[in-house]
Amino acid sequence: GIQVEQSPPDLILQEGANSTLRCNFSDSVNNLQWFHQNPWGQLINLFYIPSGTKQNGRLSATTVATERYSLLYISSSQTTDSGVYFCAVERSGGGADGLTFGKGTHLIIQP
Amino acid sequence: EPEVTQTPSHQVTQMGQEVILRCVPISNHLYFYWYRQILGQKVEFLVSFYNNEISEKSEIFDDQFSVERPDGSNFTLKIRSTKLEDSAMYFCASRIAATPYNEQFFGPGTRLTVL
Repeated sequence: GIQVEQSPPDLILQEGANSTLRCNFSDSVNNLQWFHQNPWGQLINLFYIPSGTKQNGRLSATTVATERYSLLYISSSQTTDSGVYFCAVERSGGGADGLTFGKGTHLIIQP
Repeated sequence: EPEVTQTPSHQVTQMGQEVILRCVPISNHLYFYWYRQILGQKVEFLVSFYNNEISEKSEIFDDQFSVERPDGSNFTLKIRSTKLEDSAMYFCASRIAATPYNEQFFGPGTRLTVL
């Protein structure tokens, strides 16, 4: 099956810093989503971005499908940004396949 | 904004008991999914469901699991005889279609604890 690698696994930053999280995947994809898992365990959908660039406030994401990677940028980090960020992909031609998740990046924003 | 809902939010059960986790997908969505996340690990795909039948399932989805859409709104996951290792967060998701590809919308999850 498709492999999803996220880096770094852990990241500790001071409030106000910027960060870049990376997701590499091993095959062509038709779907790529970024999630933030909050302290209550809920998966918050950040971006649906199989290709191109999107921005939502302090967050933006870029997927370069031909090179099989995606980046999530967080600017001016706040303590509420802490949590685990997951990248998840769905391979091309998969039809009703489920998403394959990476292991996540655990982000800690210190005040 | 429409959202996927799940009940209960927490479920505690004894080993060997049957549990049913319930989900209400977004109303005009056609594809439904269950995922599992063991504490501290990544989210794993269990099963997808379309047109009242299973479309795909993972190796995790063995004979102790079953899914059903008993009416026009609910989508359920049944675990027949729970084991300690079934303790996890279970997420339901739905999407409007599979082609053209579009995003899956996730519910808030049900935390299952097996004692």
